[in-house]
Amino acid sequence: EDQVTQSPEALRLQEGESSSLNCSYTVSGLRGLFWYRQDPGKGPEFLFTLYSAGEEKEKERLKATLTKKESFLHITAPKPEDSATYLCAVQAGNAGNMLTFGGGTRLMVKP
Amino acid sequence: EAQVTQNPRYLITVTGKKLTVTCSQNMNHEYMSWYRQDPGLGLRQIYYSMNVEVTDKGDVPEGYKVSRKEKRNFPLILESPSPNQTSLYFCASSLRSWADTQYFGPGTRLTVL
Repeated sequence: EDQVTQSPEALRLQEGESSSLNCSYTVSGLRGLFWYRQDPGKGPEFLFTLYSAGEEKEKERLKATLTKKESFLHITAPKPEDSATYLCAVQAGNAGNMLTFGGGTRLMVKP
Repeated sequence: EAQVTQNPRYLITVTGKKLTVTCSQNMNHEYMSWYRQDPGLGLRQIYYSMNVEVTDKGDVPEGYKVSRKEKRNFPLILESPSPNQTSLYFCASSLRSWADTQYFGPGTRLTVL
């Protein structure tokens, strides 16, 4: 069974304090790993797609990386507006076009 | 404005009373999907569609039906709702695959008494 686990469940940072969120996965044949941001009461917002180990994508203060077992979302010098829940999802080779999401990491950045 | 719309946004109903949650997108996207989000369980895919008349089960399809008769619409049908279907539901669409930007609707909060 495909599994996606995110850690930590919650993370409190001071403004400017860089850190990383983890998404570990167990799937048969990864076809894609996706990162989303979700603000309270809203639908998720797409951030990145990663396909293969070694791949990296960047957007402003966010950088996503991928290995064969996990993905990291690095947040450099976060600001309070980066506070949100970050979700990762995987599409496995043996699951058609189904997406499996992790439980998310709730990030709080204090000024 | 490019968007995914859902209706209703809030719904309180009773066990067994059939309901439909509508979803519409104006971006000519091929992929559409329904999710439910529950505390402690995260976001789970219910059904998805890769194009008109093409649908497939996600992680938690039991108790739900979908149809894709037109490209822009993807309604979610609960034929006999039960309290365990109380949840926050999201519809989403993307152009040709999940690797494309997936746009989510604003959500429908459903309570089944």
